Amino acid sequence: QVQLQESGPGLVNPSEALSLTCAVSGYSITNGFFWGWIRQPPGKGLEWIATIHHRGTTYYNPSLKSRVTISLDTSKNQISLKLTSGTAADTAVYYCARHGEGIFDFWGQGTLVSVPS
Amino acid sequence: QSALTQPASVSGSPGQSIAMSCTGTSSDVGRYNYVSWYQQHPGKAPKVVIYDVNKRPSGVSDRFSGSKSGNTASLTISGLQAEDEADYYCNSYTTTSTWVFGGGTKLTVL
Repeated sequence: QVQLQESGPGLVNPSEALSLTCAVSGYSITNGFFWGWIRQPPGKGLEWIATIHHRGTTYYNPSLKSRVTISLDTSKNQISLKLTSGTAADTAVYYCARHGEGIFDFWGQGTLVSVPS
Repeated sequence: QSALTQPASVSGSPGQSIAMSCTGTSSDVGRYNYVSWYQQHPGKAPKVVIYDVNKRPSGVSDRFSGSKSGNTASLTISGLQAEDEADYYCNSYTTTSTWVFGGGTKLTVL
């Protein structure tokens, strides 16, 4: 069974970078699929942030593209996300997920990151 | 990119059927059959209930069904049950090789 587990700093100071990792078990990230990050501010909806194809092509939400980098760590079977210049608006639960064009089929449990105002 | 448009809330009584909509554009919902729907209970990660417009993952009840007409996709839940009360989000792939979610619909089972 595919399992994803996010980890992050919990609290990030304003203007600092936010770095998250997603450890994948039960499936090699180089075997196929896209691997994405999605976030959800408290009490609000889901927002797709970025995706990386198993061969390395990256895709970004235009509204966040200037601040986001997604990458694969094949040696650790992990996906990483870096979001620079954090603000209170970046406070959210961050999820990683495996997906195709038409389905996000496996999700992590999410990790809350807070950026105080 | 703009979020897909979903009604903020829908409600129904146990046993009834409800439908909720997800409206996009010709650049996303209307262009591809890559529309999916997610159920999210409070404090939990989203769970896919419909993918590729009208396909049901293994283990999802056949009370869930999906369809699409033009730029609008729909999720129908028949035989409403208390456990169906949750937030529901649609998602679509887009012509700019990105993905976009809807704003979410809160389903209340009366």
